[in-house]
Parts: sequence; C-alpha cells; structure tokens
Amino acid sequence: KQEVTQIPAALSVPEGENLVLNCSFTDSAIYNLQWFRQDPGKGLTSLLLIQSSQREQTSGRLNASLDKSSGRSTLYIAASQPGDSATYLCAVSVGSGYSTLTFGKGTMLLVSP
Amino acid sequence: EAQVTQNPRYLITVTGKKLTVTCSQNMNHEYMSWYRQDPGLGLRQIYYSMNVEVTDKGDVPEGYKVSRKEKRNFPLILESPSPNQTSLYFCASSPGIIYEQYFGPGTRLTVT
Repeated sequence: KQEVTQIPAALSVPEGENLVLNCSFTDSAIYNLQWFRQDPGKGLTSLLLIQSSQREQTSGRLNASLDKSSGRSTLYIAASQPGDSATYLCAVSVGSGYSTLTFGKGTMLLVSP
Repeated sequence: EAQVTQNPRYLITVTGKKLTVTCSQNMNHEYMSWYRQDPGLGLRQIYYSMNVEVTDKGDVPEGYKVSRKEKRNFPLILESPSPNQTSLYFCASSPGIIYEQYFGPGTRLTVT
C-alpha cells in the first residue's frame, strides 16, 4: 500500500528565507504528484502538478521536483513571505485497476515578519 | 466561475440520524471523490467515481454511501452516523485521476 511521508511536520522561518519541503512515497508506480496548500479551516488549493514523466514544475516562487525512482519530491519556496504561512500537502495518484489519491500528513509552515 | 461546492458547510447532528452532504461541480469533470480529514491521520479517501454510475471504495468506505446519477453531482450519504464520523469532509473533482484535483471548501460534521 502506498504511503506518503512529509518532513518536517512543522517549520518556522523568518520572512525572506528560501526553504524546502520534502515528500517521500513508498511505491514509485505513480501517475503524478501534486502539491497543495491548505489554510486553517479552509479547502485545498492546488499549487503544482508533476506528471510521472516530468522532473519538475515551476510556478512563480514555487518549484517542485520529482525523482520517481527514489520516491521523493521537494517543494522549494523562494523568498518566503508571511502570506505563505499554511499547511502544505503532497499527494500521489496511483492506478493499477483503481484510482486513488494518497496524501501525506502535511508540513505546517509559519513565516514570521 | 469554475468551482466545487459542498453543502452544508457545517453540520451538527445526532447518532443514527441519516444525513446527506451534497457535492456539485460545474467543470464537466468525470472524476469525483470524497475525503475525510482528521488530526494526525491526514486526508483519507472515502469513495471515488470515475464517471456516471461508476463508483468505488477508497481507503475508509465503512459507514458511507455514495451515488453518481449525474455527472455534476456526487452526494455523500451517512445512513446511520456515529461519533467516529465526526470529521472535516472534502469533495474533489478533476477530468481524471492523472489531472489536477479541484477541492471543495469542506464540510465540518459533528456527530454527538
């Protein structure tokens, strides 16, 4: 069964710092990996989607990489801002006769002014 | 505006009283799914649907039912809710599992 782990569980940084969030998964037979942002009490907002054939995706200050063979992904946030404070979740989609999305438990990020 | 809507957003009910949480999307997506989010356990998939009249169990389907009679709607039914179903529920949709998933705003359910 696919398991997704996110490290660290929580991270506190000063504004302006570059940071990396980590996601690892146990089964490399994935269709894609998606990074989400969740604000307290709110829904999930998709940030980046990396297909299994891709190595990375970029959107503004965010860059996500995928190393399927080693079961790892990183989300790089450049020049962090207080508005980046949220919980970041990664999720992988798998197939093989059924289709499901397996989530990590998230990294809670706090960016202080 | 392209969106996934859920109703109600908040619900407090009692054990055993049947309830339905509605989910609707206006993006003509084929794939829809339900998740529950619990502290320390993260998001777990309850049921998913790859198209109209096609549904399947996720990781935690016990105590839930779903139906997909129309493409846009995917209601979650709790026939006899119990306190362990107190949770934050999310509906999601996409053109398919390999595509970006769009989530609804969530429904916070409390069963007493």
